[in-house]
Amino acid sequence: DGGITQSPKYLFRKEGQNVTLSCEQNLNHDAMYWYRQDPGQGLRLIYYSQIVNDFQKGDIAEGYSVSREKKESFPLTVTSAQKNPTAFYLCASSMGVPSYNEQFFGPGTRLTVL
Amino acid sequence: KNEVEQSPQNLTAQEGEFITINCSYSVGISALHWLQQHPGGGIVSLFMLSSGKKKHGRLIATINIQEKHSSLHITASHPRDSAVYICAAPYGGSQGNLIFGKGTKLSVKP
Repeated sequence: DGGITQSPKYLFRKEGQNVTLSCEQNLNHDAMYWYRQDPGQGLRLIYYSQIVNDFQKGDIAEGYSVSREKKESFPLTVTSAQKNPTAFYLCASSMGVPSYNEQFFGPGTRLTVL
Repeated sequence: KNEVEQSPQNLTAQEGEFITINCSYSVGISALHWLQQHPGGGIVSLFMLSSGKKKHGRLIATINIQEKHSSLHITASHPRDSAVYICAAPYGGSQGNLIFGKGTKLSVKP
């Protein structure tokens, strides 16, 4: 079955620790995205990658880092510089730009920083 | 400012009722996306449309490009339709990344 997997579903970390969220897709999609969702707000774009070995900052990239070494994988690191990291994180992928392509979403990771 | 506005924020309906959720956007777009977020958090793409109307089962999405407005309709609503419905529009540039509405939380009572 093709799809996007994110792990873990729930993640707890102490303040000041870096944490890496996993995102893997087997849809053969070129583009991958990381979004953050907070209560009462729309999804906000953290980083995106249109192709392997290339990625761009989204609207709220501060305190986050990514890598795209393989087409299938787009891990997100939440660093200690992120001031309010507790949120729901969603990974997505698409064949190409969202103007013309449907986005497919993973199940999400709920990060709680204690 | 590029914005996507949804209404209503919350909607409660009785099973069988006809549901309408509205979405207005401020930028010229090539396509609008409707998404469904289940209580567990997972998001499913329902529609991507650039003109007219699309139908899938009991779900119908319409868009009026001139008025920058789209609607999502659910006919014969069922408790399993209870979810958050989100519209999203590309906000321009070569990447066409999406800007998302805050969502409409629908609860359908049996």
